[in-house]
Parts: sequence; C-alpha cells; structure tokens
Amino acid sequence: SAVISQKPSRDICQRGTSLTIQCQVDSQVTMMFWYRQQPGQSLTLIATANQGSEATYESGFVIDKFPISRPNLTFSTLTVSNMSPEDSSIYLCSAHSGNTIYFGEGSWLTVV
Amino acid sequence: GENVEQHPSTLSVQEGDSAVIKCTYSDSASNYFPWYKQELGKRPQLIIDIRSNVGEKKDQRIAVTLNKTAKHFSLHITETQPEDSAVYFCAAMGNNAGNMLTFGGGTRLMVKP
Repeated sequence: SAVISQKPSRDICQRGTSLTIQCQVDSQVTMMFWYRQQPGQSLTLIATANQGSEATYESGFVIDKFPISRPNLTFSTLTVSNMSPEDSSIYLCSAHSGNTIYFGEGSWLTVV
Repeated sequence: GENVEQHPSTLSVQEGDSAVIKCTYSDSASNYFPWYKQELGKRPQLIIDIRSNVGEKKDQRIAVTLNKTAKHFSLHITETQPEDSAVYFCAAMGNNAGNMLTFGGGTRLMVKP
C-alpha cells in the first residue's frame, strides 16, 4: 500500500493570494492526480500530474489557475492561484499504487 | 468521457436493515469500479472494489455486484450499524492512458439506531 501525506491540512486564505499544496508519497508511483471536492459535492478531477512534463487538465481547469508540478515519482504540488471564495474546497491528492488508488488526507481551504 | 450516475442521493435506514446504492456508467471500456466511504471531515476511504472480470465480490457485511452488459454496479451493506453512516461514492475507471477515476455524485447514508 502507499501512504500519501498532504500539507497543509487546513488553511484560511485571503482572496487574491495563492497557496501551494504539497503531496508526498512514500513510494514511487506512476500516476498522481489532483481532485477538488466542493462543500457537499462529489470529487472532481482537476488534472493528472505528469512526471517531467506539463500536467493534463480536465475541462474547466486551466494551468494559470491551478499550476501543478511533479518533479519526481513521489512528489507533486498544486497551487491555487488568485483565490476567491469559490475556491473554498477540499483539495485531494491521489496516487495509483499497484492496482489500488489511494488518497491523501486532503487540504481544507477556506478563502475569505 | 466517462459519466457515472449514482442513486439515491440520500438513504435513511434503520439499524440492522440493508442498504443498497446503485451506480451506472457510460463508458463500456471501464473495467475498475471502487467504492469509497467518506466520513465527515475525512478523506475518502476505499471500502471495496470490483474489476470487470467478476460479477460479485463480498467482504463481510459489504458486497458489490457488477453487470457489464447493463453498465451498472451496486453496493450492498447488510446488518447496517450507526457507524456505517457516511457519504458513499462509487467510481469508474477505464483502461486508457489516463486511468483516472470518474466519481458518482455520492449517497449520504444515515443509519438510525
């Protein structure tokens, strides 16, 4: 199994600022993903974090707003840029290890 | 792309009764179907999954069935307990280059003691 550590776990942010979320996996994984879960909603895929190349974004998400890095097979970051109250959500990192998909504990962001 | 529909959105049962949550998917190439339980303030936790080469899988009080022809799969919880109260998400994943999960909308299960 894989253990995924995410930080920060929780933060209150001022609108207009940016915040970077870090995701660390305890083993090398081929696929890493970033999801958003808005209050009371399901999980929506933001992008696939590709090692050594630009992330692949889903419809409705753009690199300027959600820049992603993945410098190696165990680490990725998601930045939420120029935040507004609508960005208040849980952001979850996910990784595929073997035949199973694991989630980090999530980063609860509140934008005020 | 894949589209996953989940029903019902809320489900209330009496302790000891069974609960059934149903999902349908659109992409016939999908071949992996996990179910996640999310308690308030916590991340989704995998509780059971099924792959397209089997029709049913059981783990104690939890079972999942898959009908590939009809493109639907269901979660069955027997002898429900108050600690089963949570939001449950189904998901589907295809065997393509992306291999990402598409989630259903979630079911809020409430087990009344």
